[in-house]
Amino acid sequence: AQTVTQSQPEMSVQEAETVTLSCTYDTSENNYYLFWYKQPPSRQMILVIRQEAYKQQNATENRFSVNFQKAAKSFSLKISDSQLGDTAMYFCAFRETSGSRLTFGEGTQLTVNP
Amino acid sequence: EAGVAQSPRYKIIEKRQSVAFWCNPISGHATLYWYQQILGQGPKLLIQFQNNGVVDDSQLPKDRFSAERLKGVDSTLKIQPAKLEDSAVYLCASSLEGTSGTEQFFGPGTRLTVL
Repeated sequence: AQTVTQSQPEMSVQEAETVTLSCTYDTSENNYYLFWYKQPPSRQMILVIRQEAYKQQNATENRFSVNFQKAAKSFSLKISDSQLGDTAMYFCAFRETSGSRLTFGEGTQLTVNP
Repeated sequence: EAGVAQSPRYKIIEKRQSVAFWCNPISGHATLYWYQQILGQGPKLLIQFQNNGVVDDSQLPKDRFSAERLKGVDSTLKIQPAKLEDSAVYLCASSLEGTSGTEQFFGPGTRLTVL
């Protein structure tokens, strides 16, 4: 069974600075997808960024980028130029190519301070 | 484009009572998911529908939980009877199709408190 681990329950960063959230996962699959979701206090889960395991290039979406290390089974999220609106719970998630079930980590609560 | 709609937003019941949640997915989305998110944890998939058929219900406690998606559009999740440990946020999500790379769009969730 796949597992996703986020070892940082809480993180904080000053506005305009950069922060990195960690995620590791365990799988025997070779092809899969990895995701970072954001869940603000409104509870609505929003997709931040997606990475396909067979692509070596790290995904980027504006201020959000990932560091995908397949051999180490590591998938960290870097947020540059942090904004107050980035304050939320961030979940790392895994999905195998052959299936559609998302397996989520425990989440990291990020607080951006003014 | 309208998002995934869920109701009610909040529900408080006593243990052993019954409760039902409703979800209306994004128009045209064939796949619908129900997740349970216990406080302090990530969401856990309860059931996945492809149109009106069940694709995955391996983590659904079938002795008390049931779900249906009549006509392949709206869905209802029911708990009967509820237990204290069912207190959680129930999230509904939908996607255009059920393949692994497809983005899932989530609703605002229903927060259930069982007393």
